[in-house]
Amino acid sequence: DGGITQSPKYLFRKEGQNVTLSCEQNLNHDAMYWYRQDPGQGLRLIYYSQIVNDFQKGDIAEGYSVSREKKESFPLTVTSAQKNPTAFYLCASSMGQGTTEAFFGQGTRLTVV
Amino acid sequence: KQEVTQIPAALSVPEGENLVLNCSFTDSAIYNLQWFRQDPGKGLTSLLLIQSSQREQTSGRLNASLDKSSGRSTLYIAASQPGDSATYLCAVYQGGSEKLVFGKGTKLTVNP
Repeated sequence: DGGITQSPKYLFRKEGQNVTLSCEQNLNHDAMYWYRQDPGQGLRLIYYSQIVNDFQKGDIAEGYSVSREKKESFPLTVTSAQKNPTAFYLCASSMGQGTTEAFFGQGTRLTVV
Repeated sequence: KQEVTQIPAALSVPEGENLVLNCSFTDSAIYNLQWFRQDPGKGLTSLLLIQSSQREQTSGRLNASLDKSSGRSTLYIAASQPGDSATYLCAVYQGGSEKLVFGKGTKLTVNP
């Protein structure tokens, strides 16, 4: 099955902990993205990567980090510096070049307990 | 900075009605525009992609149009069904970068 897999579906974090959200794609896409979704806020871009070993900050990168060591993987770490991490996190990918369709995973819901 | 607006924020219609969802964007230098559907607690499902050189795209009961010069797109849904109930989001690829910029969505409810 081709697509984007996010794991876990639900994640609970204690205050002060770092957690890593997984995003894997088997679509052979060059570009990958992380978005955060909050009620009433819409989707906001955290980080994006156009190629392996390269990534750029989006609009709300503070308190987050990413890596892109493999084409198919783009993990997101939510650090203890992120003051309000409770949200729905969505990963997406596309061929890049700005002309092709973007596809999304099923999301990870992160809750701070 | 690109801003995408969707009106209305919510819409409730009876089954069988034809309806139009609106999307507007402030910077016409876009590569393409994409419409998505999101069910509660789920990821986004791509519905239609319109390239900047195109005027419209159709898929089944869905038809999306694009007017770059006026910064507008519409999603037309024919003969709506209860299964169409979801939030519909539009997004544009911002010119000069690899960023998708989203509107806040229109929550559609189709009543049986």
